[in-house]
Amino acid sequence: KAGVTQTPRYLIKTRGQQVTLSCSPISGHRSVSWYQQTPGQGLQFLFEYFSETQRNKGNFPGRFSGRQFSNSRSEMNVSTLELGDSALYLCASSLDRGQDTQYFGPGTRLTVL
Amino acid sequence: SQQGEEDPQALSIQEGENATMNCSYKTSINNLQWYRQNSGRGLVHLILIRSNEREKHSGRLRVTLDTSKKSSSLLITASRAADTASYFCATALIQGAQKLVFGQGTRLTINP
Repeated sequence: KAGVTQTPRYLIKTRGQQVTLSCSPISGHRSVSWYQQTPGQGLQFLFEYFSETQRNKGNFPGRFSGRQFSNSRSEMNVSTLELGDSALYLCASSLDRGQDTQYFGPGTRLTVL
Repeated sequence: SQQGEEDPQALSIQEGENATMNCSYKTSINNLQWYRQNSGRGLVHLILIRSNEREKHSGRLRVTLDTSKKSSSLLITASRAADTASYFCATALIQGAQKLVFGQGTRLTINP
């Protein structure tokens, strides 16, 4: 089976812009979770989607949003980018639940200038 | 404060030696998982141990769980240079959102 894929792998944006990141889960996995990883805060949970519905949400401002499509592919969007949004954004998929074994993609490295 | 906290934050050992990392958590869990991350890449799942299990093995890895002390340990035996990575514990809480909460990780360096 193909693993979790994320596009793009690297992204450079400027403050105030918006960005959309994409994630394709492992075939058959219905749960997709997103995490933000920074040196200072570590791995922070953003949200989890299941069957096109947001099932769980972390403590991030409304500038961070996401969605899931009927084929389980997911996108996350960050609007009005701030310098502090520079991070590695990781997507992970699991069979059914956000507490199951997570299979991670390689991540998207976002740099905000 | 973090639900899962790893100790030590960094560990440097010689190739062939055993490496032990610890994870402590605060609230009751359904399961605890260990992941490895090579520099700047995605995480790789290593082991999942459920709250009613005390020990699990996978190759050179041994994980223990002590729910009375709210702690877990990951032992890597006969370490290799390729084991150099960051190791994270993640807890699946019983209460609240059905998600994993990751600790800050232990940076393991294996010296040849």
